[in-house]
Amino acid sequence: QSALTQPASVSGSPGQSITISCTGTSSDVGGYNYVSWYQQYPGKAPKLMISDVSNRPSGVSNRFSGSKSGNTASLTISGLQAEDEADYYCSSYRSDSTVVFGGGTKLTVL
Amino acid sequence: QLQLQESGPGLVRPSETLSLTCSVSGDSVSSTGYFWGWIRQPPGKGLEWIGSISYSGSTYYTPSLKTRVSISVDTSKNQFSLRLTSVTAADTAVYYCARPSGYFYHYFDPWGQGTLVTVSS
Repeated sequence: QSALTQPASVSGSPGQSITISCTGTSSDVGGYNYVSWYQQYPGKAPKLMISDVSNRPSGVSNRFSGSKSGNTASLTISGLQAEDEADYYCSSYRSDSTVVFGGGTKLTVL
Repeated sequence: QLQLQESGPGLVRPSETLSLTCSVSGDSVSSTGYFWGWIRQPPGKGLEWIGSISYSGSTYYTPSLKTRVSISVDTSKNQFSLRLTSVTAADTAVYYCARPSGYFYHYFDPWGQGTLVTVSS
């Protein structure tokens, strides 16, 4: 079961915006609006940041937003802050009733 | 507030069976409409969905582990469990329990803190 494709790393300076991509296929990302994003600090459990492509759970900063075009979903963080430095994972529902994660992206705040 | 907590042996011998339990507080594992799931993360690597179980007992597993894995619910203890047979070093990981939500129960919130399981002789 192939994972979704994410860049290994992205970086940005405080105040800037960055975008993390998540590429799948028509059987997962492209076929459903069921992409989620998670933030994970070292040694900690992942935290849900975005569900269903662009829905932000209560308590998540509005600096985090999600979108999708074709087989690629994206997470954008605006007004980058030092506390945003973490690993980010996307996931998607897949047509065989499974869930697949991306390989993860390490965000560095310069 | 729903909280999840994993427990189980931190060391498992190769070829043996890995067994973990997730204790649920703040809600009932038997509540209609709820699913429960397991995700793992090998050291330094990404997340892998293992499988999920519905309130009615229906199970869904990742294809690569389907022949070795089982998830069950114990309503009397308000827990759900993971069993993974014939383990190898490749099964060494932090194992998380979580509650799947969404139309296809495709996203996970909240998560337990995770428990490291090492497969070694």
